[in-house]
Amino acid sequence: DIQMTQSPSSLSASVGDRVTITCRSSQTISSYLNWYQQKPGKAPRLLIYAASNLQSGVPSRFSGSGSGTDFTLTISSLQPEDFATYYCQQNYNTPWTFGQGTKVEIK
Amino acid sequence: QVQLQESGPGLVKPSQTLSLTCTVSGGSISSGSYYWSWIRQPAGKGLEWIGRLSTSGSTNYNPSLKSRVTISIDTSKNQFSLKLTSVTAADTAVYYCARDGITMVRGAANYYFDYWGQGTLVTVSS
Repeated sequence: DIQMTQSPSSLSASVGDRVTITCRSSQTISSYLNWYQQKPGKAPRLLIYAASNLQSGVPSRFSGSGSGTDFTLTISSLQPEDFATYYCQQNYNTPWTFGQGTKVEIK
Repeated sequence: QVQLQESGPGLVKPSQTLSLTCTVSGGSISSGSYYWSWIRQPAGKGLEWIGRLSTSGSTNYNPSLKSRVTISIDTSKNQFSLKLTSVTAADTAVYYCARDGITMVRGAANYYFDYWGQGTLVTVSS
């Protein structure tokens, strides 16, 4: 299985901050990388697919980059509704696997 | 707008079989080249992909669960289902159904979970 490791596991930030979350895969996965946002008690929501493509309806302050083994999710200006847990997920090989999550909390 | 809804018992006894159904609305489960997945999340923990199937019957399962999992589809009811046998307390989780959306990027198929059910909590306890 391909292991996905996110960092940090949690972070505290203020509204308006630029936030960066990283995801590393245990082997190269080209651009087969997706990002999700999950709020408590809710299903995850797709933000970014194929490393850098913004899902329809997702605000443009979210962006993704990277290829190979290292990937980044950036929120350019954190908004109150962005406080949540973020997961990366690889779709290079089954079994699809997720990172352990990064919780973004209010400072 | 595609919508998914999980249904099934919220409590299952140890050693028994967990059975869940996902009903798809807002579109035919047979349309497009989609796969349909099950994913679970223990309380306070991360996401684990269980497996998926296509409407042509092709399946992929997580090797960690493969010996206990069956995913099937009923296109006449626009539903797909999960069976997990010999459950233990470790199988207690919120179970989600989801659609594997697909897009071609530089000639290669990229899959992602673009539609999700709301999730259903299944507790394994006697």
